[in-house]
Amino acid sequence: QKEVEQNSGPLSVPEGAIASLNCTYSDRGSQSFFWYRQYSGKSPELIMFIYSNGDKEDGRFTAQLNKASQYVSLLIRDSQPSDSATYLCAAPRGYNKLIFGAGTRLAVHP
Amino acid sequence: GAVVSQHPSRVICKSGTSVKIECRSLDFQATTMFWYRQFPKQSLMLMATSNEGSKATYEQGVEKDKFLINHASLTLSTLTVTSAHPEDSSFYICSASGGGLSTDTQYFGPGTRLTVL
Repeated sequence: QKEVEQNSGPLSVPEGAIASLNCTYSDRGSQSFFWYRQYSGKSPELIMFIYSNGDKEDGRFTAQLNKASQYVSLLIRDSQPSDSATYLCAAPRGYNKLIFGAGTRLAVHP
Repeated sequence: GAVVSQHPSRVICKSGTSVKIECRSLDFQATTMFWYRQFPKQSLMLMATSNEGSKATYEQGVEKDKFLINHASLTLSTLTVTSAHPEDSSFYICSASGGGLSTDTQYFGPGTRLTVL
């Protein structure tokens, strides 16, 4: 089992819809989780992180964490074509390292 | 805040030459810097972790004599690809953490695209 798993996609949603990106992890001891966005040919950029069970909202983005189910998700409301990118989920491994999922490619079509 | 730069952004070199890539944290002191490599349509692969003033820790399968890492200060780490070959062509990305920021959060540089002819 991979430490961090994501569906590779592509996830295709119409403009204005809610995009739901999911991630599962294997280490029950993980305390924090990160969502990064990576445009094609560019490096990842941090969207948000979450430590506590429940929801965390930042603008159009909402991260959801369920530690009992070892599940973390990212919701993007009012999706825009500019949101089309690969979204990487990451969890800590050891001291300071992050283990990344393979990423989910999101395509928002007009 | 939390800006990381990399230089150069793109480099083309001949096989057998060495290439140095710089990674700088511009507005914070990075106690730890990370070097990743990413091949087209693949995920990030961690190559090594470096802490200021100490030797880098390399991931399994990464040749430490080929990928030399120096982290001489809290704002600068360098990666030198020695005797580069075409199979080393890739997107090299650094990230940095520390300096009062969340210890887990990594901020990425813009990456360096290396092409070895």
